[in-house]
Amino acid sequence: DGGITQSPKYLFRKEGQNVTLSCEQNLNHDAMYWYRQDPGQGLRLIYYSQIVNDFQKGDIAEGYSVSREKKESFPLTVTSAQKNPTAFYLCASSINSYSNQPQHFGDGTRLSIL
Amino acid sequence: AQSVTQLDSHVSVSEGTPVLLRCNYSSSYSPSLFWYVQHPNKGLQLLLKYTSAATLVKGINGFEAEFKKSETSFHLTKPSAHMSDAAEYFCVVSDRLPGGKLIFGQGTELSVKP
Repeated sequence: DGGITQSPKYLFRKEGQNVTLSCEQNLNHDAMYWYRQDPGQGLRLIYYSQIVNDFQKGDIAEGYSVSREKKESFPLTVTSAQKNPTAFYLCASSINSYSNQPQHFGDGTRLSIL
Repeated sequence: AQSVTQLDSHVSVSEGTPVLLRCNYSSSYSPSLFWYVQHPNKGLQLLLKYTSAATLVKGINGFEAEFKKSETSFHLTKPSAHMSDAAEYFCVVSDRLPGGKLIFGQGTELSVKP
């Protein structure tokens, strides 16, 4: 089955630690996205990538980093500079980055502070 | 600038009765509009999308939405609620800026009583 796989489902971060969230898609989509979701709020865009080896900052990129070395993979690193990392993180992809294309979502990673 | 407002943070209906989830948008262009559903601890699933074709859009699971330009609205409806419809619903507008960025409403939590 084609889809987006996020791992792990739950992740705990210690003070001063960087952690990496995995996102893999087998939909052959060019564009990929990372969102953060906080309770009672909509999704906020962290980073997006329109094509391999290219990515752009979203609305809340501070304290996060990404890479896009392969079409299928778009990992997100939450660095120690992100002071409030506790949230639900969602990865998405779309065929391309045109405005009329829907995005397909993974099942998310819930990050908590130890 | 694009924006979207979901007029109710929580809607409660009885099983078998109609569902109405309200959404108003603001867009400088002819927008692409989407409704997504999110069940607890899951990613978002696309219910339906409007991309300037028919103004009445039919989606999955019996949901539909009507695009009304004069009212800048895109309300989601379903004739008869089912217990499995209980979830969070997001109205989303896509702008035409590079990257296909989505702008999410704050979400409406739908409860379905037996």
